[in-house]
Amino acid sequence: EDQVTQSPEALRLQEGESSSLNCSYTVSGLRGLFWYRQDPGKGPEFLFTLYSAGEEKEKERLKATLTKKESFLHITAPKPEDSATYLCAVYLLYGGSQGNLIFGKGTKLSVKP
Amino acid sequence: DTGVSQDPRHKITKRGQNVTFRCDPISEHNRLYWYRQTLGQGPEFLTYFQNEAQLEKSRLLSDRFSAERPKGSFSTLEIQRTEQGDSAMYLCASSFRDNSPLHFGNGTRLTVT
Repeated sequence: EDQVTQSPEALRLQEGESSSLNCSYTVSGLRGLFWYRQDPGKGPEFLFTLYSAGEEKEKERLKATLTKKESFLHITAPKPEDSATYLCAVYLLYGGSQGNLIFGKGTKLSVKP
Repeated sequence: DTGVSQDPRHKITKRGQNVTFRCDPISEHNRLYWYRQTLGQGPEFLTYFQNEAQLEKSRLLSDRFSAERPKGSFSTLEIQRTEQGDSAMYLCASSFRDNSPLHFGNGTRLTVT
């Protein structure tokens, strides 16, 4: 069964304290991996797409990396406005009735000033 | 604003009533998706359209749920005879083509009393 697991479920950081979020996946075929940010009461906001192992993408304080089994979202010197839930989603080669995009449960990040 | 738009933002209904939600995708996007999200979970796939054709439907989707996308533009999601278990955030997303990022609206929050 195709599965996406994110860890930790929740992460509390002090402002400026860098850390990483993990997304591991067990899927029959990967076409791509997406990272999203979701604020309370809003829809997910697209951050990055990664298509192949070794690929990296950066945006401001965020950097996403991809290996054959997992992806990391590195947050450097976070600020309180980075507080949100970060979702990882895997785009499958063959989705069928489960759809092509499977989401993890997310990591809820809190950054304290 | 040229993002994905959903209406209404909130809907409170009594058990047994029918409800309908509307989604207007980004205009040049051919694919339209419906997802459902409950608290602490990632979005769960319901169905998707390529233009006006409904290509996949989740096996988990009850016969009480129906979606349409007439003329390949906006889409509606109808839930008949609502149950308390239908309470969730219903998210619509669109994408330009297969394997390109999904862009989400801010959802319709349904509460069934």
